[in-house]
Amino acid sequence: AQSVTQPDIHITVSEGASLELRCNYSYGATPYLFWYVQSPGQGLQLLLKYFSGDTLVQGIKGFEAEFKRSQSSFNLRKPSVHWSDAAEYFCAVGVTGRRALTFGSGTRLQVQP
Amino acid sequence: DAGITQSPRHKVTETGTPVTLRCHQTENHRYMYWYRQDPGHGLRLIHYSYGVKDTDKGEVSDGYSVSRSKTEDFLLTLESATSSQTSVYFCAISDPEGLYGYTFGSGTRLTVV
Repeated sequence: AQSVTQPDIHITVSEGASLELRCNYSYGATPYLFWYVQSPGQGLQLLLKYFSGDTLVQGIKGFEAEFKRSQSSFNLRKPSVHWSDAAEYFCAVGVTGRRALTFGSGTRLQVQP
Repeated sequence: DAGITQSPRHKVTETGTPVTLRCHQTENHRYMYWYRQDPGHGLRLIHYSYGVKDTDKGEVSDGYSVSRSKTEDFLLTLESATSSQTSVYFCAISDPEGLYGYTFGSGTRLTVV
């Protein structure tokens, strides 16, 4: 069955530390991949996307993600976290011919001063 | 986002009553989606539309119906609300196939008492 897994429900990091949020998918076809961020009480905002080509993609707010086909992963990274990055992060996957994205269950990021 | 609005933003309703949520877009996108967001489940697709009068079911469509009589409006109806439908509902719009990601509305928080 097709699925998207975010193994970490909740992560706490110190401000200025590096961050990596994990996303794994299970799809038969080559997927296209997204990361979204949701601040409390808000809708979702697109951080970055991958369709093809360079497997390391850059997004907004200093985030990047790397597509690793061999590991079926698309992990989100940031070298130095800011307090304003505290939010919930969602990985989403789509495949050609399937008309809607499938979202992971989310990872809530808490940033300690 | 200015291009997509949801109404109402908050609603409390009683079990057994019908409820309609509205999504309105000004982007002229063919594709529109309704998701529900619940803790631990991320976003789950309820219904989506790929054109006027063209709709299809998502993974959690039981108890919900949709209509799209105009490109700009996508309505979600709970025929007889139940407490299990207490959730935050998000509308999204996209280009065909969602290749450039979705644009989300701000959400409707629905409480069924």
